[in-house]
Amino acid sequence: SQQGEEDPQALSIQEGENATMNCSYKTSINNLQWYRQNSGRGLVHLILIRSNEREKHSGRLRVTLDTSKKSSSLLITASRAADTASYFCATDIISSGSARQLTFGSGTQLTVLP
Amino acid sequence: DSGVTQTPKHLITATGQRVTLRCSPRSGDLSVYWYQQSLDQGLQFLIHYYNGEERAKGNILERFSAQQFPDLHSELNLSSLELGDSALYFCASSATGGSGPLGDTQYFGPGTRLTVL
Repeated sequence: SQQGEEDPQALSIQEGENATMNCSYKTSINNLQWYRQNSGRGLVHLILIRSNEREKHSGRLRVTLDTSKKSSSLLITASRAADTASYFCATDIISSGSARQLTFGSGTQLTVLP
Repeated sequence: DSGVTQTPKHLITATGQRVTLRCSPRSGDLSVYWYQQSLDQGLQFLIHYYNGEERAKGNILERFSAQQFPDLHSELNLSSLELGDSALYFCASSATGGSGPLGDTQYFGPGTRLTVL
């Protein structure tokens, strides 16, 4: 089963508007990462937020993490048509012993209309 | 460009066949991870190698195997292929095995699209 679940599944906005995507997860994490994927292409790492951080910024991206609610949000400000893509959250958990793995959510499909 | 390369880009084969997917990590990265992305299962972690040794296993079928070579490139072998194995297969690399308490970033390759007919 998916550790992370994004909400909404799909989001359509006008260029210039802000886009907010949410991610909820189930177990304790070491960090949470957001990735972007253009249709059929590889995943591009956007930002990593550690479990002891509450907010992080990178350019037009703002990520928050609430470990008490086991949730994270990704805000893209002043969206552009080029931001159209699927966005995934991925939780870094310890799978067994010291082994780690990333567990991905099902993604939010963002469409930015020109 | 993430610096991770995967070959081939596309692979079309028949049921029952065996294929090998190849991944070269970013220069200096010791870890390689394999993922499968399909419409019904989403993005699933398969296996993680660190400096030549298997570190973690996810939802990897027994028909699938992987290895990481001394030069740190990795291969994913898929055998007795079934229609349901059609998917995008990604590898990712990271600097370490994420052995530190707070992990590290994984960089993804462009993927290999496998179609089983």
